[in-house]
Amino acid sequence: AQKITQTQPGMFVQEKEAVTLDCTYDTSDPSYGLFWYKQPSSGEMIFLIYQGSYDQQNATEGRYSLNFQKARKSANLVISASQLGDSAMYFCAMREWDDKIIFGKGTRLHILP
Amino acid sequence: EAQVTQNPRYLITVTGKKLTVTCSQNMNHEYMSWYRQDPGLGLRQIYYSMNVEVTDKGDVPEGYKVSRKEKRNFPLILESPSPNQTSLYFCASSFSTGADTQYFGPGTRLTVL
Repeated sequence: AQKITQTQPGMFVQEKEAVTLDCTYDTSDPSYGLFWYKQPSSGEMIFLIYQGSYDQQNATEGRYSLNFQKARKSANLVISASQLGDSAMYFCAMREWDDKIIFGKGTRLHILP
Repeated sequence: EAQVTQNPRYLITVTGKKLTVTCSQNMNHEYMSWYRQDPGLGLRQIYYSMNVEVTDKGDVPEGYKVSRKEKRNFPLILESPSPNQTSLYFCASSFSTGADTQYFGPGTRLTVL
């Protein structure tokens, strides 16, 4: 069974709209961390945001926020006011107790002008 | 400048010819990791290291070796490469574990003929 599931292989969004990228995870460990990374067409991996399993509040970093619903085991990334430069591949990842890191298969986001 | 470097960036080789991809970080990070990225599969962790002389298998360790003799270096060794190891490889490091974000190298594109 996949530990990280990103159900949207691709998305098209109009510029300036908000976008939500889905991520669900599977773990029985009470202590874990969730990450989102962006990979533009140039190939580098860019860290966006982190959420710890014990964090009480949803993480936010500028235009990025993480909608963390622990009971549902979901950690969706929300990008507000999307920009053309947001077009990229987005990966959700989880770090568990043994410090292994599992990535999802990614969502390719296209921002339309 | 804080960075993770990988060499070579591109490599074409033949089946069975041993190769090493180097990874070095200048941030005094304890945690280092190797991933491979394949289309439709996201990133998969090959090996990781919590500190010098401590290495652990990730999800896809078969056909790879690593060593961590110095804190800054974490080379990936393919003793007998095969075509199914053709992939994009990323090295990453973080100060520690938990919430510490990983810094990624630029990637190494390997083709095994």
